[in-house]
Amino acid sequence: NAGVTQTPKFRVLKTGQSMTLLCAQDMNHEYMYWYRQDPGMGLRLIHYSVGEGTTAKGEVPDGYNVSRLKKQNFLLGLESAAPSQTSVYFCASSSHDRGPEQYFGPGTRLTVT
Amino acid sequence: GQQVMQIPQYQHVQEGEDFTTYCNSSTTLSNIQWYKQRPGGHPVFLIQLVKSGEVKKQKRLTFQFGEAKKNSSLHITATQTTDVGTYFCAAKNAGNNRKLIWGLGTSLAVNP
Repeated sequence: NAGVTQTPKFRVLKTGQSMTLLCAQDMNHEYMYWYRQDPGMGLRLIHYSVGEGTTAKGEVPDGYNVSRLKKQNFLLGLESAAPSQTSVYFCASSSHDRGPEQYFGPGTRLTVT
Repeated sequence: GQQVMQIPQYQHVQEGEDFTTYCNSSTTLSNIQWYKQRPGGHPVFLIQLVKSGEVKKQKRLTFQFGEAKKNSSLHITATQTTDVGTYFCAAKNAGNNRKLIWGLGTSLAVNP
C-alpha cells in the first residue's frame, strides 16, 4: 500500500499562473481533505470531500477549487496563484468506519513569486 | 466557533527531561486525537481518546483526557532526540464530525 501520495512535491509558480495538485489514496477511504500549513498557523482546512462526486468548503476555501471524480483521487486547483498561497499543502484521507485517524500525504511545497 | 487551544507553542528541553503539551477547549469534546509531525514531514496519528478521564500510554508517551472532556495532555517522559517535532491535538467538530478542529501545535526541540 502506498497510502496517500501527492504530486508534485515542489512547485514554483508566478503570480497569476494556474496549477493542479493531485492527491491519490489506495486505502478505499471515503473522506479526503486538503490542508495548508503555514508557520505558526497550524493546519487549516481548505476543502474536503465525503465521497466521490461531493466536495465542501473548509475554513480557507477562497482562491481554490477541488474535484473528486474518482473515489481514490482528490484534486486541488489554483486558478490564479497569488503570493499569499505560498504554503505547504497536505492531502489527507480517512475512513468512514475503520478508525478515526486521518492519513496524510507527504505534502507539496508551493512557492508563488 | 469551536476552538482548541494548545500550549505551549514551543518548548526546548535537554535530552532526558520530561515534556508536556496541553490542549484546552471551552466546550465539551466528544473525543480528541494527537498527531506528531517530524521536521519536514507530515502529521502522523498517535492516538485517540474518547472517555472522560481516560489515560493511555505508548512507551514513554502518556495521553490524558480530562474528566470534563474539555482538556487533554500529552506527556513525554525522559525525552530523546527522536521526540523532536511538532505535536498537534485535534478534536471532532461538534457541528460536522467529518472535520477536525486542530490546535496550533507545540514544537519540541531536544538538546542532546
